Amino acid sequence: GQNIDQPTEMTATEGAIVQINCTYQTSGFNGLFWYQQHAGEAPTFLSYNVLDGLEEKGRFSSFLSRSKGYSYLLLKELQMKDSASYLCAFDQTGANNLFFGTGTRLTVIP
Amino acid sequence: DTAVSQTPKYLVTQMGNDKSIKCEQNLGHDTMYWYKQDSKKFLKIMFSYNNKELIINETVPNRFSPKSPDKAHLNLHINSLELGDSAVYFCASSQAGQGDSPLHFGNGTRLTVT
Repeated sequence: GQNIDQPTEMTATEGAIVQINCTYQTSGFNGLFWYQQHAGEAPTFLSYNVLDGLEEKGRFSSFLSRSKGYSYLLLKELQMKDSASYLCAFDQTGANNLFFGTGTRLTVIP
Repeated sequence: DTAVSQTPKYLVTQMGNDKSIKCEQNLGHDTMYWYKQDSKKFLKIMFSYNNKELIINETVPNRFSPKSPDKAHLNLHINSLELGDSAVYFCASSQAGQGDSPLHFGNGTRLTVT
């Protein structure tokens, strides 16, 4: 079957670094997406990993290990506006939709 | 210009009623989707359309029916609304399925069934 696990909630301090982990189980795995969703708003695309390794994009980086079924999103120099839910999702070969996790609600405190 | 727009933003209605949610995208994408996000924030695929053909239909009650008059529009009709239908419904689009083409979401329609 398909499954995604990520922590429900996390809290971090402004200016700090936080790592949000995601583990997944599926067959025919294609790639791993991270989306950000502020309360009451639509999810917005952050990153997509197909190959193993770390991809950096400004303050945000995403890592993937296909053999371990594991990904993480790394947020550096946290800002108050980073308080949001972060959704891990994968797409499968031959499928035409994304399977989402329930998201990690990140709260950034002063 | 809004890339994916859906209306209405809020919809409050009584059990048993029939309602529709409209969605339009101006990105020229080939595929459009409807997702449901429940109170636990779990986003689940309901339907997707590619070139006016339904290519996914998850285990969604047949009270829900997508209608796509053209490539830029995918509307969602819901008959005989039930309390459990209360959720936020997101329309989305992408280019030629998934892969490295991310989903672009609309702002969501919060449906409350009383």
